[in-house]
Amino acid sequence: EVRLVESGGGLVQSGGSLRLSCGASGFTFDGSWMTWVRQAPGKGLEWVASIGRDGSEKSYVESVKGRYNVSRDNRKNTVYLQMDRLGPEDTAVYYCARMKVNLLGPRYFSDYWGQGTLVTVSS
Amino acid sequence: QSALTQPASVSGSPGQSITISCTGTSSDIGGYSYVSWYQQFSGKGPKLLIYEVSSRPSGTSTRFSGSKSGNTASLTISGLQAEDEADYYCSSYRNSGSRDVIFGGGTRVTVL
Repeated sequence: EVRLVESGGGLVQSGGSLRLSCGASGFTFDGSWMTWVRQAPGKGLEWVASIGRDGSEKSYVESVKGRYNVSRDNRKNTVYLQMDRLGPEDTAVYYCARMKVNLLGPRYFSDYWGQGTLVTVSS
Repeated sequence: QSALTQPASVSGSPGQSITISCTGTSSDIGGYSYVSWYQQFSGKGPKLLIYEVSSRPSGTSTRFSGSKSGNTASLTISGLQAEDEADYYCSSYRNSGSRDVIFGGGTRVTVL
């Protein structure tokens, strides 16, 4: 059974930092791209970041570039999202998800999702 | 990054068919076959419904189908059921120099 379990969310003051973790099981972790998607309260889904199988390739939505860093530890089957200089606009539920791949790279859809972790940034 | 454009809401009666549109550009939907659709119930995480425009993962009802024409993708729900009442999001790869993903704003489906 595939499982993705996020942790690390919580309440933080504006300007602060948080590190989210997502533990994976039930699939070949180092054979998968991983992605983070967030959802602000009452709003839609927003892609945040993706990371390649060995961590050498990363992509970010423009609004978090320079503030967020996605990383992974394939020995621990875990992907991380380090979030710095947080602002109220970063308040959201953050989901991690697996992105399917083929020989050419990611296939840009996520077939497994975690339950999400809530990040609240107070001003 | 501008989101893909979806109608805010679509409604239909049980048994009817409804279609949700998702409009992008030639840099995303129009240029690639990496369109996917997700279903989300209130308070729950998203669930993959359709990938690569029209493929269904195991577990997705055949009542859900996807298509694309030009810069617009569509999700059709046939034989609408009360349990289909949820939010639906489209997503696509966007060529912006890196491996970006873009979502639509979401469509609330109401079963009358």
